[in-house]
Amino acid sequence: QLQLQESGPGLVKPSETLSLTCTVSGGSISSSSYYWGWIRQPPGKGLEWIGSMYHSGNTFYTYYNPSLESRVTISVDTPKTQFSLKLSSVTAADTAVYYCARQLNRAGYSSGCWGWGQGTLVTVSS
Amino acid sequence: QSALTQPPSASGSPGQSVTISCTGTSSDVGGYNYVSWYQQHPGKAPKLMIYEVSKRPSGVPDRFSGSKSGNTASLTVSGLQAEDEADYYCSSYAGSNNLEVFGAGTKVSVL
Repeated sequence: QLQLQESGPGLVKPSETLSLTCTVSGGSISSSSYYWGWIRQPPGKGLEWIGSMYHSGNTFYTYYNPSLESRVTISVDTPKTQFSLKLSSVTAADTAVYYCARQLNRAGYSSGCWGWGQGTLVTVSS
Repeated sequence: QSALTQPPSASGSPGQSVTISCTGTSSDVGGYNYVSWYQQHPGKAPKLMIYEVSKRPSGVPDRFSGSKSGNTASLTVSGLQAEDEADYYCSSYAGSNNLEVFGAGTKVSVL
């Protein structure tokens, strides 16, 4: 059974870099059948896709929300079945619950987020 | 500002039906049959209820149905039950540089 678990600091200072890791069990992050992504939800607000990655052949491809692309990096540690999010130059507007998720890859199209982590609240404050 | 437009709230009595709309553009909802709907209870992660406009994952009751016409997708919950009270979000594929665009969410209340 697929399980995803986010981990990382719950408090980050303004202008610093937010770093989170998602540990996957019950599924392979090397499968080209899925994207592995990050989605966030500010308190009391809606969902926002941050970015995703997927594996094909010997290459991992990454895709980022255009509005965040300049500050986001998603990377993968295959042996540890983990993938990570880095968001630089954070401000209070980046305070949110951050979820990692598995998205179904339909020949390149993302067909929904089928598995979610429980989410982790990251607060940006000095 | 969310890319997809949803009404902020909807409501119905137990046993009734409620329909939520999700309006986008030809670059997202109207351009692809990759619209999903999620249910989110307070403090919980979202749960996929509908994918590819009208398909239900295993375990989702058939009271939940999805459709699309032009740039607008819809979720209908029939035979409303108390446990259906939740926030509902739509999302759509919007191109390789925008894998998932979400609506702002609709709070469904069961009166």
